[in-house]
Amino acid sequence: SQQGEEDPQALSIQEGENATMNCSYKTSINNLQWYRQNSGRGLVHLILIRSNEREKHSGRLRVTLDTSKKSSSLLITASRAADTASYFCATDANAGGTSYGKLTFGQGTILTVHP
Amino acid sequence: EPEVTQTPSHQVTQMGQEVILRCVPISNHLYFYWYRQILGQKVEFLVSFYNNEISEKSEIFDDQFSVERPDGSNFTLKIRSTKLEDSAMYFCASSRRGRSNQPQHFGDGTRLSIL
Repeated sequence: SQQGEEDPQALSIQEGENATMNCSYKTSINNLQWYRQNSGRGLVHLILIRSNEREKHSGRLRVTLDTSKKSSSLLITASRAADTASYFCATDANAGGTSYGKLTFGQGTILTVHP
Repeated sequence: EPEVTQTPSHQVTQMGQEVILRCVPISNHLYFYWYRQILGQKVEFLVSFYNNEISEKSEIFDDQFSVERPDGSNFTLKIRSTKLEDSAMYFCASSRRGRSNQPQHFGDGTRLSIL
C-alpha cells in the first residue's frame, strides 16, 4: 500500500454521532495534516500535528498520532450534516529534514452525515 | 479571508493541444504548488515552486509540463501536448513558507477534459 491510506473508505452516520477516520503511512514524517474536500471544491486544511505530538484538538476535531505504528486518527465529535465531505490525511517526506512542502495524500474517507 | 483562485473552472481540449491552467495564489504567500486528482484516485503532487524556480517535482511532471510565474501574481501550469490520461482535476495551492509545517491553501481546481 502507499503512503497515507485512510480507512474506512466510506462512513455513514447520523447527526450528533462521532466520526472516526484512520490514516496509516509508510515512511517517517515531520508532520501529518488532515484536509477536507467538499464535493466539487478544493481541499481545506483542518489541522496539523507534528511528529513529536501525540494529540491535538481544534474545536470539534481531535487528531492523534502514533509514530510507532505510523498511524493517525481524526475524530469529529457531535457531527453535523455540514460535515459531509471527503477527508484526507497528508504527509510530508522526512528526507533528512529537507522538505519543500510536498504533500502525499491518502485515498480519503467519504463521510456522510444524515440529518 | 484570502483565497487561491483558479481559472478556468472547466477546460475541454482536444488531445495533442496545449493547455494553460491559471492560478492566483494568496498575495503574501511565497511557495506555490500544483496537484492533480484523477477521478476516483488520490490527490497527487506535481510540482512545487519558489523564487521563480522549481523546488521539487514528481515523476508525473515530465517534459510535457511546465510552470511559470509570469507577472508576480499569476502562477500557471502548461501542458504542451495533452494526452487522454491528463484528464483530471488540477489544484493549485500556496503557502506562506515552504516548510512542511505550513498549511497549504488550495483553489477549487480546474477540471481538465481531454477529448
